[in-house]
Amino acid sequence: QQQVKQSPQSLIVQKGGISIINCAYENTAFDYFPWYQQFPGKGPALLIAIRPDVSEKKEGRFTISFNKSAKQFSLHIMDSQPGDSATYFCAAILSSGPARQLTFGSGTQLTVLP
Amino acid sequence: ETGVTQSPTHLIKTRGQQVTLRCSSQSGHNTVSWYQQALGQGPQFIFQYYREEENGRGNFPPRFSGLQFPNYSSELNVNALELDDSALYLCAWGGDLNYEQYFGPGTRLTVT
Repeated sequence: QQQVKQSPQSLIVQKGGISIINCAYENTAFDYFPWYQQFPGKGPALLIAIRPDVSEKKEGRFTISFNKSAKQFSLHIMDSQPGDSATYFCAAILSSGPARQLTFGSGTQLTVLP
Repeated sequence: ETGVTQSPTHLIKTRGQQVTLRCSSQSGHNTVSWYQQALGQGPQFIFQYYREEENGRGNFPPRFSGLQFPNYSSELNVNALELDDSALYLCAWGGDLNYEQYFGPGTRLTVT
């Protein structure tokens, strides 16, 4: 199974609040998990990424939490700002294949209210 | 900015026609991937090229084909366009020595 399941589909958060987006995967051979941020009319931009041997990675207001046994990972956006309003995609890569293809989740549309 | 450019920005074609989309990078990466993003969905992997050879393909028919050139540019060709081909087409460079891939802004293709 190559699927990555993402939830929620949409999320509304007040300015200063915490945004949490969750993803689950089935293929235990996935070994790289990036998050992408996409604004309307733009391509996805790499936000932060983690490998399965690490349980948490933090970059500024963005944190990935990774639970290898549960095959789940999540993105936390602390102190959410209106400028964070965008669509967020989790993804996974299988490095053992000939092509390092990204398998994306279905996306979460985040709206941060001022 | 990722240094990845795509052209054209928008394109309208008629069912049955052929289309060529272009992508270039300033990054110097040897790997380029193409993705199709339907409205409201995540990008779907079409194929990847490494050093000008296709080294992986997703669940897309042979009428989707590509080329990679030595000057860090690439093309996606789609023959016999169908209405369902309407989507945002994204190219991404990277993934040689690491796993990071950098996307261009995409080409919005509409098939009528």
